[in-house]
Amino acid sequence: DIVLTQSPALAVSLGQRATISCRASQSVSISRYNLMHWYQQKPGQQPKLLIYRASNLASGIPARFSGSGSGTDFTLTINPVQADDIATYYCQQSRESPPTFGGGTKLELK
Amino acid sequence: QVQLTESGPGLVHPSETLSLTCTVSGFSLTGYSVYWVRQPSGKGLEWMGRMRYNGDTSYNSALKSRLSISRDTSKNQVFLKMNSLQTDDTGTYYCTRVTTEGFDYWGQGVMVTVSS
Repeated sequence: DIVLTQSPALAVSLGQRATISCRASQSVSISRYNLMHWYQQKPGQQPKLLIYRASNLASGIPARFSGSGSGTDFTLTINPVQADDIATYYCQQSRESPPTFGGGTKLELK
Repeated sequence: QVQLTESGPGLVHPSETLSLTCTVSGFSLTGYSVYWVRQPSGKGLEWMGRMRYNGDTSYNSALKSRLSISRDTSKNQVFLKMNSLQTDDTGTYYCTRVTTEGFDYWGQGVMVTVSS
């Protein structure tokens, strides 16, 4: 199985940039497709798709969210961070079955 | 609009079988795959298995011996059955629609507690 590694937590100040990373144990890219997706989960809620295929903004997601990366290293950026963005963020790969998730990065306020 | 709704018992006794239903609307089960994902309380997300649009199923190898996923397309429902439940199966169970653009819609989840 492909293992996805995320830092457990990240502390940021409101209005600043948050950069959340995800590293895969092997490449999750095929040709020009980077099969990594990002989700936001707030306490008591289901996960919500933010970014698909590494850099594409899902429907209804604000433009302050962006994604980048290829191969094994991927980044979710939130700029500027707003109070509503305090949540846990998960990366997920669909390169190989089984689909796997990172352990999640909890975004906290400084 | 697209909706997925999980239903099932909130409490299951150890060694018993969990039965959950995911009822979908706004799309067809013959056009989209539906996956089950679970989340132990305070922990991360774990893929359990899938019902593909063509009726094929696939399971997490760690759960395969205990898990079964089926569907009734006429009722727009996907079913999960998992036997021999233990306390570490406690958590929230989600169904989610899957496309090439990720898991784009999720149900609100159903909390399952395994306890005597």
